[in-house]
Amino acid sequence: ETGVTQTPRHLVMGMTNKKSLKCEQHLGHNAMYWYKQSAKKPLELMFVYNFKEQTENNSVPSRFSPECPNSSHLFLHLHTLQPEDSALYLCASSRQPNTEAFFGQGTRLTVV
Amino acid sequence: GESVGLHLPTLSVQEGDNSIINCAYSNSASDYFIWYKQESGKGPQFIIDIRSNMDKRQGQRVTVLLNKTVKHLSLQIAATQPGDSAVYFCAAWPRRRDSSYKLIFGSGTRLLVRP
Repeated sequence: ETGVTQTPRHLVMGMTNKKSLKCEQHLGHNAMYWYKQSAKKPLELMFVYNFKEQTENNSVPSRFSPECPNSSHLFLHLHTLQPEDSALYLCASSRQPNTEAFFGQGTRLTVV
Repeated sequence: GESVGLHLPTLSVQEGDNSIINCAYSNSASDYFIWYKQESGKGPQFIIDIRSNMDKRQGQRVTVLLNKTVKHLSLQIAATQPGDSAVYFCAAWPRRRDSSYKLIFGSGTRLLVRP
């Protein structure tokens, strides 16, 4: 295990639902990230938090809303998603930006 | 711009042979590169990294080579085993300060190990 835990592992939601993805790291890292991994596409960075402050929003639609209450926890709130948002959502953390990033197992999201 | 690309989507090797996975990066990419391995149903797992002040770095059965002249990165796996079957990604941290937090990934090479 990498020390980065994501829940749930699988999620199926309707387009009108609201759900949240959770990420937790016990590595003492200061930076946390959300990535989206779709089939046959490179990992896409969505958000970056450093010391609980959002430092990057990679043009992500507002139906994805991140929250970082402390350096150990990161959430991704989802509402009114589209079927094309179905993907593997990966959380990662690093001691600081520009150092090795550790990934969680991901949440497999299916929007129906 | 910033880009990282892998040369082959799939690589098939015989068990016991050496594997070489290649990656190219653009002029504005990072001083720091990482290779990740992703098995089915799991998140990417760190394999080895290298900074641009080095040409070569070795780990356990893995070697990363960096050729800054042609902006090329490779991962060599010695005596490939069935457990090495996975998708391999190269990743880079952009050198520019205004995007210093953005870890950019290539599209991945799937390594298939034949028994």
